[in-house]
Amino acid sequence: SQTIHQWPATLVQPVGSPLSLECTVEGTSNPNLYWYRQAAGRGLQLLFYSIGIDQISSEVPQNLSASRPQDRQFILSSKKLLLSDSGFYLCAWKEGENFGGQFFGPGTRLTVL
Amino acid sequence: AQSVAQPEDQVNVAEGNPLTVKCTYSVSGNPYLFWYVQYPNRGLQFLLKYITGDNLVKGSYGFEAEFNKSQTSFHLKKPSALVSDSALYFCAVRDIPSYKLSFGAGTTVTVRA
Repeated sequence: SQTIHQWPATLVQPVGSPLSLECTVEGTSNPNLYWYRQAAGRGLQLLFYSIGIDQISSEVPQNLSASRPQDRQFILSSKKLLLSDSGFYLCAWKEGENFGGQFFGPGTRLTVL
Repeated sequence: AQSVAQPEDQVNVAEGNPLTVKCTYSVSGNPYLFWYVQYPNRGLQFLLKYITGDNLVKGSYGFEAEFNKSQTSFHLKKPSALVSDSALYFCAVRDIPSYKLSFGAGTTVTVRA
């Protein structure tokens, strides 16, 4: 069966520091991968999605970037964090060609101080 | 563009009573609709989906959803709510060309004992 991992689970970082959040998927190949941010425990904002290695689409201009160095690995990064980057970051995957929904990881709670 | 709306920020019901969480959609073409549930500080969990076929879709944890094309609605229902159903519920619609999901703002469900 497929599983999705995110780490770390929680992170507290000072403003201006770098960021690296990792997401990996097991039990599937060539998944579509997604990064979301959830602010204030409500709406989900799609940040990036990827349909293949090194194929990244950015949804909103921001302080963040994403990379997919391997088929089942998706990394969210920043060179310098802002206070507004605080939030709950969710990674999700979907089988590439089917009509199903996305499956979410457990999330990373980021607090920028 | 595809979109969904959840008209209620909060729904409060007594345990044992029926639970309904409302969702309306706007799409061009056939809708692909989903419901997710999120417990505090957790990732989203997939409940059910409508792709095609029967208008009544059965999902996890005793939930079901009714697709109504004339009313462009996809309401989530449970005949008898449990306290453990208290959570944040999201409706979503899939954007076919890009395989992205557009989420509603979420509805907080509170089931009182």
